[in-house]
Amino acid sequence: EIVLTQSPGTLSLSPGERATLSCRASQTVSNSYFAWYQQKPGQAPRLLIYDASRRAAGIPDRFSGSGSGTDFTLTISRLEPEDFAVYYCQQYGTSQLTFGGGTKVEIK
Amino acid sequence: EVQLVESGGGLVQPGGSLRLSCAGSGFTFSSYWMHWVRQAPGKGLVWVSRIKTDGSYTNYADSVKGRFTISRDNAKNTLYLQMNSLTAEDSAVYYCAGGGSGYYGSWGQGTLVTVSS
Repeated sequence: EIVLTQSPGTLSLSPGERATLSCRASQTVSNSYFAWYQQKPGQAPRLLIYDASRRAAGIPDRFSGSGSGTDFTLTISRLEPEDFAVYYCQQYGTSQLTFGGGTKVEIK
Repeated sequence: EVQLVESGGGLVQPGGSLRLSCAGSGFTFSSYWMHWVRQAPGKGLVWVSRIKTDGSYTNYADSVKGRFTISRDNAKNTLYLQMNSLTAEDSAVYYCAGGGSGYYGSWGQGTLVTVSS
């Protein structure tokens, strides 16, 4: 099983700032089969990025994904008030799909 | 509009069984891989199981293998999760999610399963 470690655990930023979230895999994620989700309290997760860098339908272009191998990054170029949430990374390169533990982006 | 609605959650005793359902609408259900993902209160997301579009392939997280069974009825646009030999560690909100074989763009609102005596 591929273990995903997200950092930092919590990111305290102000609206308008840039957010950089990291996810490191315990082994290479094949074909960059990697996704990012956003979850707000009391809501289901929402797909943001798939295949490491492809934005899902309806996702604003301030969200971008990058990376390959074992290191992946989600960048939010300028934080909007609605972006404060928990973000999860996920790999689907093996038969055992796994999620990271999450990064909470909170208002500073 | 894509909709996924889970049902069947509730309180069950340790060792008991429960069957979850997920009804899909607003999309071609038979074209989507379907997954179950769970989330214990205050914790992160955990993938549980997935099933291919036509039901010909399934696989499970090691933590539920041999105890849970995923299935689908494309004629009824419904996904199922049969859960047996439940333990307290299975207590969580269970989400159904649809999309590709690995990632999911559509999620239900979740159904809460509590395993307790």
